[in-house]
Amino acid sequence: EDKVVQSPLSLVVHEGDTVTLNCSYEVTNFRSLLWYKQEKKAPTFLFMLTSSGIEKKSGRLSSILDKKELFSILNITATQTGDSAVYLCAVANNAGNMLTFGGGTRLMVKP
Amino acid sequence: DTAVSQTPKYLVTQMGNDKSIKCEQNLGHDTMYWYKQDSKKFLKIMFSYNNKELIINETVPNRFSPKSPDKAHLNLHINSLELGDSAVYFCASSLWTVLWETQYFGPGTRLLVL
Repeated sequence: EDKVVQSPLSLVVHEGDTVTLNCSYEVTNFRSLLWYKQEKKAPTFLFMLTSSGIEKKSGRLSSILDKKELFSILNITATQTGDSAVYLCAVANNAGNMLTFGGGTRLMVKP
Repeated sequence: DTAVSQTPKYLVTQMGNDKSIKCEQNLGHDTMYWYKQDSKKFLKIMFSYNNKELIINETVPNRFSPKSPDKAHLNLHINSLELGDSAVYFCASSLWTVLWETQYFGPGTRLLVL
C-alpha cells in the first residue's frame, strides 16, 4: 500500500527562522510529489516535483526531490506569521489514478 | 471570483439523516473530485469525475453517491449518515484527469454527525 510520511508533525518557530519540512514516501510507480499549503480552509498548490535533484523555488519557499532515497524537503527561509499553516505532501503514481497524502506538518510562526 | 465553491460550509445533522453537499467550479476544468479529510488531517480521495463520467471510485460506502449534472458541478449525496462520516469534505478540480495535475480545492464543508 502506498504510504506518505511527513515530519515533524508540528513545529513552532519565530519569525525570521528557517524551517525544513520532510516528506518520505513509498509508492508503486512513482510519478510526482506535490506540496500543498493548507491554512484555515482549502489546500493550495505550492510545487510539483518529478525529477530528482532539481530545486523548485518560489520566493522564500523551495523544494527538492530525492528519488533514490524517496523523500522530499520543503524549505522556508525568513519565515513570517503568514507562513503558519499545515503543509501537505502528496505522491501521485504514473497512471495518474492514485494520489496519496501525508498527514501534514503543522507550522506555527510566532511574531 | 471563487474558483471552486462548496455549499454549505458547515453541516450539523443527526445520525441516520440524508444530506447533500454541492460543488461548482468556474475554471472550465474537465475533472472534479471529492476528498475526505479526517481529524488527523489525512486527505483521502473518494471520487473523481471527468466530464460527468465517474473515473475514480475509491473504497467508499455506497451510502455516498456523487452526481455530476454537468462538468462544472459535482454534488455529493450521503444517505443514512453515521458518526464516522464526521469530517471535512473538499471538492477539487483540475484541467486533466491525472492526479498529478494541479488541483484547485474548494473551501471545504465541515460535516458533524451527532
